[in-house]
Amino acid sequence: AQKITQTQPGMFVQEKEAVTLDCTYDTSDQSYGLFWYKQPSSGEMIFLIYQGSYDEQNATEGRYSLNFQKARKSANLVISASQLGDSAMYFCAMREPYNAGNMLTFGGGTRLMVKP
Amino acid sequence: GAGVSQSPRYKVAKRGQDVALRCDPISGHVSLFWYQQALGQGPEFLTYFQNEAQLDKSGLPSDRFFAERPEGSVSTLKIQRTQQEDSAVYLCASSLDTSSLYNEQFFGPGTRLTVL
Repeated sequence: AQKITQTQPGMFVQEKEAVTLDCTYDTSDQSYGLFWYKQPSSGEMIFLIYQGSYDEQNATEGRYSLNFQKARKSANLVISASQLGDSAMYFCAMREPYNAGNMLTFGGGTRLMVKP
Repeated sequence: GAGVSQSPRYKVAKRGQDVALRCDPISGHVSLFWYQQALGQGPEFLTYFQNEAQLDKSGLPSDRFFAERPEGSVSTLKIQRTQQEDSAVYLCASSLDTSSLYNEQFFGPGTRLTVL
């Protein structure tokens, strides 16, 4: 079974509007971490935001916020006021404590395209 | 300061050739990870080092793949007798340590390997 599922292969959003990128995860651990990364065409993975499983409040970082619904095992990324530079691949990832060195398990990604 | 660097950025190999991919992690980072990212997919874990010790290599797809980090800093991923299915982007990431789930992994730009 997939540990991280991103059901939207591609998304369009109008510049200056908000967009939500979906992510669901599967784990039997109580303690885990959830991450979102941005990968522009240059290829580098850029860390955006982190949510710990015990964090009671949704994480926010500037224009990025994470809609964390633990019971539903979802961790959707919300980008407010989209900019043309937000066009990229976005990956949701999970870290579980018993995995090798706390490695990351990634979803398949969502390609976001921002329209001017 | 300098981030994670990888070389070469692009590598074209004929089927059957051996290749070596280099990763220079951030100075002082204890943990080093290699991931493989096939076209249009999320990265997948290959192997993990803590200093010079390779603690997990469960993600290496075959015995043609070999990684080392002899002095606990620079790491090399070697692929022997390359096959077309080895074509992918190889990402290296480093982090300070692995004691915390939050511990951020910093990624390099990747090496795009194309096997003809």
